[in-house]
Amino acid sequence: GAVVSQHPSWVICKSGTSVKIECRSLDFQATTMFWYRQFPKQSLMLMATSNEGSKATYEQGVEKDKFLINHASLTLSTLTVTSAHPEDSSFYICSAPTGGAWNSPLHFGNGTRLTVT
Amino acid sequence: KQEVTQIPAALSVPEGENLVLNCSFTDSAIYNLQWFRQDPGKGLTSLLLIQSSQREQTSGRLNASLDKSSGRSTLYIAASQPGDSATYLCAVNFYNQGGKLIFGQGTELSVKP
Repeated sequence: GAVVSQHPSWVICKSGTSVKIECRSLDFQATTMFWYRQFPKQSLMLMATSNEGSKATYEQGVEKDKFLINHASLTLSTLTVTSAHPEDSSFYICSAPTGGAWNSPLHFGNGTRLTVT
Repeated sequence: KQEVTQIPAALSVPEGENLVLNCSFTDSAIYNLQWFRQDPGKGLTSLLLIQSSQREQTSGRLNASLDKSSGRSTLYIAASQPGDSATYLCAVNFYNQGGKLIFGQGTELSVKP
């Protein structure tokens, strides 16, 4: 079945540094990928839609200069949390549709636990 | 605004009981609805996907139904087991949302031995 690989699975960084999270579709191509964030005891909130070869689309309230998204190929999207602060500590998870149609199933990575100290 | 709501937020049942988790959504114009399971600190496991043209899907002890006109879906778990303890998330793929999923808040299920 379709697999989405996310790396790293967890990361601890110091306040003010930047962290890059990778999301790869292993056995299919994805022109679109979605990035979600989940705070403890809360549901997943969509942050942005990553589009291969063009700019990402950010949800309202998400700072695009802070959360940089690059979708450089059909199998890789990256999320960089710039100048991280403790309030950015969260669980970040990516997903990708396995087909080109809007009703294609979404497959999720295993997520990245970010802790900013 | 398109929203997804899950009730109850938490549920505790004794082992062996059959149970129903509820999901409601505000717009009937959907492509599909998906149920996920999430264990603490882990990613998502897809349980069932129901396309808008379908009424239900079954996998083992799980059965998910979809009533688009009323904006409701239920996840039925038969003969619950302690290993079913997890958070169950309902997510909807609405029209004009570009294929992204909108998640409910989840139901935290605890099955007591």
